[in-house]
Amino acid sequence: DSGVTQTPKHLITATGQRVTLRCSPRSGDLSVYWYQQSLDQGLQFLIQYYNGEERAKGNILERFSAQQFPDLHSELNLSSLELGDSALYFCASSVEQGASSGYTFGSGTRLTVV
Amino acid sequence: GNSVTQMEGPVTLSEEAFLTINCTYTATGYPSLFWYVQYPGEGLQLLLKATKADDKGSNKGFEATYRKETTSFHLEKGSVQVSDSAVYFCALKLGNEKLTFGTGTRLTIIP
Repeated sequence: DSGVTQTPKHLITATGQRVTLRCSPRSGDLSVYWYQQSLDQGLQFLIQYYNGEERAKGNILERFSAQQFPDLHSELNLSSLELGDSALYFCASSVEQGASSGYTFGSGTRLTVV
Repeated sequence: GNSVTQMEGPVTLSEEAFLTINCTYTATGYPSLFWYVQYPGEGLQLLLKATKADDKGSNKGFEATYRKETTSFHLEKGSVQVSDSAVYFCALKLGNEKLTFGTGTRLTIIP
């Protein structure tokens, strides 16, 4: 158990639907990062939050949004889902933002859009 | 921008073989370098890291040395086991910026 909790582990939904993925960071970690892992795109950075504020944005579609709450958990909202959104979505956390601090990853949410 | 280039896989080796997975980077500055491992059905786990030139990171028999002159951070292990079968990701981090990952190298060890 890495200390980063992601729910649900698996999600199957239809095209056009909306889903919410949840992440609880490791205790004491202030930064949360979301990544998408698909077979043909590798690991793509989506967005980062630090202590409730958005800090960096990557290749995140306009149909996707995220937020980090006062208790530091984060949610990734995916709407108007398409078949191509099927992927593993990982959340990671870190205690600080410095160069030497690596991330602790959750076990991911596997999203299947049918 | 910053980027990481990994040797393409998949890589298949016999048990007890010597492993090298190449990783080179491009960065505007002096990044920290990382290797992460992803076992089947799991998230990424930090395997080792190095934060400055000539540092050697090591863990579970794996090693990688931060080479500034060749901008490389190759992963090595002297004798691989079946349990090392996984996907390995090289990554860099510069200051407060996000971790930038390579595309990953799938390693399969045959008994």
